[in-house]
Amino acid sequence: GENVEQHPSTLSVQEGDSAVIKCTYSDSASNYFPWYKQELGKRPQLIIDIRSNVGEKKDQRIAVTLNKTAKHFSLHITETQPEDSAVYFCAASDGTASKLTFGTGTRLQVTL
Amino acid sequence: EAGVTQFPSHSVIEKGQTVTLRCDPISGHDNLYWYRRVMGKEIKFLLHFVKESKQDESGMPNNRFLAERTGGTYSTLKVQPAELEDSGVYFCASSQLNGGYGYTFGSGTRLTVV
Repeated sequence: GENVEQHPSTLSVQEGDSAVIKCTYSDSASNYFPWYKQELGKRPQLIIDIRSNVGEKKDQRIAVTLNKTAKHFSLHITETQPEDSAVYFCAASDGTASKLTFGTGTRLQVTL
Repeated sequence: EAGVTQFPSHSVIEKGQTVTLRCDPISGHDNLYWYRRVMGKEIKFLLHFVKESKQDESGMPNNRFLAERTGGTYSTLKVQPAELEDSGVYFCASSQLNGGYGYTFGSGTRLTVV
């Protein structure tokens, strides 16, 4: 089955700096890669996703890149703000089975 | 649109007791999922309902866990008898689409077994 690894487990950046979180996956059949943000005590929320026919996708300060050959994808947050502080999860799906395989999460702390 | 609702938000029970978690999905979402996150680890798939039918229960840890989805609406996840290793946050999610797309998660139930 699919295995997703996520790094780093914790990340501290200063406000205004960029943050990068990286994930690798094992199943070459995976073709859908969402990212979820979970603020303290709240539900995980989808912030951006990418499908395997696209190499990069951007939404304001958030971007995701995908390298299918290397089987890794990354989340990039630019101009970080305190409200970006949360746990971020990457996930993968083969698009047929409806389950998502998640990484272990990255706790991002944006300091003033 | 109401979101995915989970009850209770927290539960502390003793080892050997029974606990039932409930999930109310978004109305009209045929797909309902249960996931669990043990502290510091990944959010792990437990099972997937399509309407009232179990589509995939490959993630259920053992026969102490029983999930039902009455009439294709809300779902319950019962743990009986609970063990210490069952502690974690149990998330429910629902979606209209298959393939892992369009999940809406609930806020989770934090289960602590002491």
